Amino acid sequence: EPEVTQTPSHQVTQMGQEVILRCVPISNHLYFYWYRQILGQKVEFLVSFYNNEISEKSEIFDDQFSVERPDGSNFTLKIRSTKLEDSAMYFCASSARAASTDTQYFGPGTRLTVL
Amino acid sequence: GDSVTQMEGPVTLSEEAFLTINCTYTATGYPSLFWYVQYPGEGLQLLLKATKADDKGSNKGFEATYRKETTSFHLEKGSVQVSDSAVYFCALSELSGYSTLTFGKGTMLLVSP
Repeated sequence: EPEVTQTPSHQVTQMGQEVILRCVPISNHLYFYWYRQILGQKVEFLVSFYNNEISEKSEIFDDQFSVERPDGSNFTLKIRSTKLEDSAMYFCASSARAASTDTQYFGPGTRLTVL
Repeated sequence: GDSVTQMEGPVTLSEEAFLTINCTYTATGYPSLFWYVQYPGEGLQLLLKATKADDKGSNKGFEATYRKETTSFHLEKGSVQVSDSAVYFCALSELSGYSTLTFGKGTMLLVSP
């Protein structure tokens, strides 16, 4: 069964460093998402991406964040200058369509630890 | 804005016990409702969904009914197994927009033999 994959599974970085989290969505999906979950808190939406541009973003997704689909398979989340409060589990998801009834398929997550 | 409230966990049950995990929501429109499950070390997997009022979603013995009058989508299972131990997330997606999911905090279920 097709699945969303994410690398790395765990990333440790120093405050102020740039990190890139990588995702490979399901191959025939067109809509891509990033969510994050700070330990003990809710899973929160960050950004959605379609047709090589951001379609929606939350207030969390400020200028420090960017997303890119550099080739036909990868979807990346970049944090330019990490802060302590960026420590969280980051989930990538993809869906075939954007309808509210459609299922989003999630990857296993990348745990980001900022020291 | 939209929000989802789930019962606090952990919920601790013995095998074969009846499970209910409560979920209520606040939404401006007519959302679709989902339950996702996260097994240890894995990502979020869709467990079931319902897209309109009075719909019942079901999968692997789990059920949830979309109740518009009480804005609820409670998850139930008649007889839990040790393998059901996981974190369960209730979520909604509004009809408009790009189907952004709004999640509850998650409820951990621990089932002992």
